Amino acid sequence: EVQLVQSGAEAKKPGTTMKIACSISANIFTTYFVHWVQQAPGKGLQWMGLIDPTDDFTTYTEKFQGRITITADRSTHTVYLELTSLRSEDSALYFCSVAGFGSNNTYFDLWGRGTLITVSS
Amino acid sequence: QSVVTQPPSASGTPGQRVTISCSGSNSNIGKNTVNWYQQLPGTAPKLLIYSNNQRPSGVPDRFSGSKSGTSASLAISGLQSDDEADYYCSTWDGSLRVFGGGTKLTVL
Repeated sequence: EVQLVQSGAEAKKPGTTMKIACSISANIFTTYFVHWVQQAPGKGLQWMGLIDPTDDFTTYTEKFQGRITITADRSTHTVYLELTSLRSEDSALYFCSVAGFGSNNTYFDLWGRGTLITVSS
Repeated sequence: QSVVTQPPSASGTPGQRVTISCSGSNSNIGKNTVNWYQQLPGTAPKLLIYSNNQRPSGVPDRFSGSKSGTSASLAISGLQSDDEADYYCSTWDGSLRVFGGGTKLTVL
C-alpha cells in the first residue's frame, strides 16, 4: 500500500530545533515532489517548501527562509523537515504530502496524518 | 495573508448548491492550474479537484471546479451534512505553492 508515515508528536522548548520525518513508500519516493505544510491550531494551510528527492532540489516560502531545511534520505526513502529557532507560533500540525502527475498522466495526491509540534517553555 | 483569497465562510441548506471562490492574480491562478481540497477536523486535506476541473477517482460528481482568468470556483451541488468542512484552493505562484486562506462551509 502506498503511504506516507510521519514521525510522532513532540514537545519542544523555544529556541530549539525540530526535525520531523516522513517515510515514503519506495515505489513513489522519486516520482513526485514532497511538500511540507504547516497548520497552526484553528488556522489554514501554510505551504512551507518542497524537495525533489531525485536531486535534492529544494524551494522554501519566504516566511520560513533562514530557519527551514528539507532533506531527503534516498537509502531509507525518508524526507525530513528541520525548523530552527522555534517559537510558540511554530506550534502546529505539520503535514508531508506528495503530489503530481505520474508516468501514466494520472494525478496523484497523498498526505501523511500530520505531526503535532508543541513549542512551550 | 495568502496571495489567493477565499471567503472565510459559506453556508447552505441540504440539497442546495453552493459555490466557493478563490481569487488570485496573473502570477498565480492566471497562469497555473488550481486544486481544491476538503479538510475535516483533525484530518489531512483530501483532494477534490485538480487541474481546475478534474475529479479524482472516488470524488462524487456533486463537486465541480472551474477557472476563469485569475479566479477559480468550487461548486457543490446537492449539499449534504457530510460536506460540512473547510475547503482550500491551491495553486502555484512561480516556484512556490500557495493555499487560499480556507472557507468554512456550514450546512444549515
